[in-house]
Amino acid sequence: KAGVTQTPRYLIKTRGQQVTLSCSPISGHRSVSWYQQTPGQGLQFLFEYFSETQRNKGNFPGRFSGRQFSNSRSEMNVSTLELGDSALYLCASSLLVAGARDFGPGTRLTVL
Amino acid sequence: GESVGLHLPTLSVQEGDNSIINCAYSNSASDYFIWYKQESGKGPQFIIDIRSNMDKRQGQRVTVLLNKTVKHLSLQIAATQPGDSAVYFCAETNGNNDMRFGAGTRLTVKP
Repeated sequence: KAGVTQTPRYLIKTRGQQVTLSCSPISGHRSVSWYQQTPGQGLQFLFEYFSETQRNKGNFPGRFSGRQFSNSRSEMNVSTLELGDSALYLCASSLLVAGARDFGPGTRLTVL
Repeated sequence: GESVGLHLPTLSVQEGDNSIINCAYSNSASDYFIWYKQESGKGPQFIIDIRSNMDKRQGQRVTVLLNKTVKHLSLQIAATQPGDSAVYFCAETNGNNDMRFGAGTRLTVKP
């Protein structure tokens, strides 16, 4: 089966810009969750979507938002980028609601 | 300013030995636990999971042990191979997919 795909894989932005990242889950998976991974904070949960509804949200500012489409594909958006937003952003999909089973390769975002 | 990275615990083992990676979790209400393996440049890879109504679960060459009394989780890898070299994370959730991850342990397998 095809795995979770994320686009783009690498992205360079400047402070103040906004960015949109995309995630396509494994076919049939309806839960998509997003995570931020940095050397300083490790892996942190951003939010989770199920059937186009945000079911849970981590402790991140409102600049971080997301959505899920009817085909389960998901996007996350970060507005007014800050240097500290530089990170690997990971998406995971699951058949079940709880537990991120399958991760994508991530999008490496660098903010200059 | 300079950012301070997480200091990952490290474990170095000889090829063929067994490895034990430990994790302490924080939420006594967590009822589902997962171990992941992350290789350089890749996303985390699911290894094995366990629910809170179990204290042991075995997979292929891996065993997860759960001690709810002391909120401790361990991953045992039998006959460790060079391909097992990676960072290993534990994660906990109480069913709402608000997952909390450990800092990770870097496993190095010496041939």
